Amino acid sequence: GENVEQHPSTLSVQEGDSAVIKCTYSDSASNYFPWYKQELGKRPQLIIDIRSNVGEKKDQRIAVTLNKTAKHFSLHITETQPEDSAVYFCAASKSGANNLFFGTGTRLTVIP
Amino acid sequence: GAVVSQHPSRVICKSGTSVKIECRSLDFQATTMFWYRQFPKQSLMLMATSNEGSKATYEQGVEKDKFLINHASLTLSTLTVTSAHPEDSSFYICSARDSGGARNEQFFGPGTRLTVL
Repeated sequence: GENVEQHPSTLSVQEGDSAVIKCTYSDSASNYFPWYKQELGKRPQLIIDIRSNVGEKKDQRIAVTLNKTAKHFSLHITETQPEDSAVYFCAASKSGANNLFFGTGTRLTVIP
Repeated sequence: GAVVSQHPSRVICKSGTSVKIECRSLDFQATTMFWYRQFPKQSLMLMATSNEGSKATYEQGVEKDKFLINHASLTLSTLTVTSAHPEDSSFYICSARDSGGARNEQFFGPGTRLTVL
């Protein structure tokens, strides 16, 4: 099955700085890569996703890049704010939004 | 966005009892729902895919007789943890995919924290 690795496990940044979280996947057939944000005690929420036919996608302060050849994708958050503090999970699937395999999560702390 | 509910939010039970968790899509139809397990400070592990009107598909290592899944309608899937033991204590989260939606996205429920004494 798919194996998704995520780094770093924890990340602290100063407010206003950028944060980058990286994931690798093992199954070259994977074609859908969402990122979820999970605040303490709450459900995961989709923040951005990218499909294998696209190399980069941006939504305001959030961007995701995908390198299919290297089988890795990254989340970039610019101008971080304290409310960005949460656990972020990457995921991969080879069947669209079905059968998501999640990374191990990154706890992001934005220091005011 | 689409809303997914779970019930109960917390349950504490004695070892050997069975526990049923419900997952409902409140404002959309979901032919496919998913069940995940999340240990403290760890990732979500896909347990099974629940298909309306057919048998669930279980991931490798997940006992189908231990974790019974029923998806009897387009808005409801249930997970029953049979003969629960302390090692089954965990956070169980369901998600649902909007069958008729333009976006191909999973919407997550709030989770159920199961504690087996």
